[in-house]
Amino acid sequence: GAVVSQHPSRVICKSGTSVKIECRSLDFQATTMFWYRQFPKQSLMLMATSNEGSKATYEQGVEKDKFLINHASLTLSTLTVTSAHPEDSSFYICSADAGVSTDTQYFGPGTRLTVL
Amino acid sequence: QQQVKQSPQSLIVQKGGISIINCAYENTAFDYFPWYQQFPGKGPALLIAIRPDVSEKKEGRFTISFNKSAKQFSLHIMDSQPGDSATYFCAASGMGSTLGRLYFGRGTQLTVWP
Repeated sequence: GAVVSQHPSRVICKSGTSVKIECRSLDFQATTMFWYRQFPKQSLMLMATSNEGSKATYEQGVEKDKFLINHASLTLSTLTVTSAHPEDSSFYICSADAGVSTDTQYFGPGTRLTVL
Repeated sequence: QQQVKQSPQSLIVQKGGISIINCAYENTAFDYFPWYQQFPGKGPALLIAIRPDVSEKKEGRFTISFNKSAKQFSLHIMDSQPGDSATYFCAASGMGSTLGRLYFGRGTQLTVWP
């Protein structure tokens, strides 16, 4: 099956610093990638949708300037949490469409962000 | 507004039993209904998916039943095993979805007792 990787898997940072999370589709090209945030024992909350070479589409209530998304190639999308604060601590997960069908999404393993 | 409603929130089943999780949707433009399995600290993994042109799809011990007229679909896990203990999410997408986004249910935490 299609494989999506994320790096890093865990990151701890100080309040006020920026953190970059990478999402890669390893064995397929993904025109569209999605970024989610998940709180403990809750469902996935879509933050933004990114298409290669164009600006990301953010969901209502998600701060564009705080969560910077770049989709530089068909296999790489990055999420940068700028000026992170403790309330940004969460589990961030990316997904990518399989390329054959825009319906099928494969998820990365997630990144646990802890802001001290 | 919750596009996809999922129940129950939690489910406890004995080993060898059948686990049943139900989902309902309102948007008739949805035409793709996947189920994801998620273990703690991991990303969701696609388990099985169905489209409205069939009423049932089976893959191993996992079966999706789909009722288009009722706008409901369910996941059945036969011969449930302790290793099936995880959180299960139903989702939906389709022509009514922006940029192919998935709408997720709230999740069901399944515990299978040995």
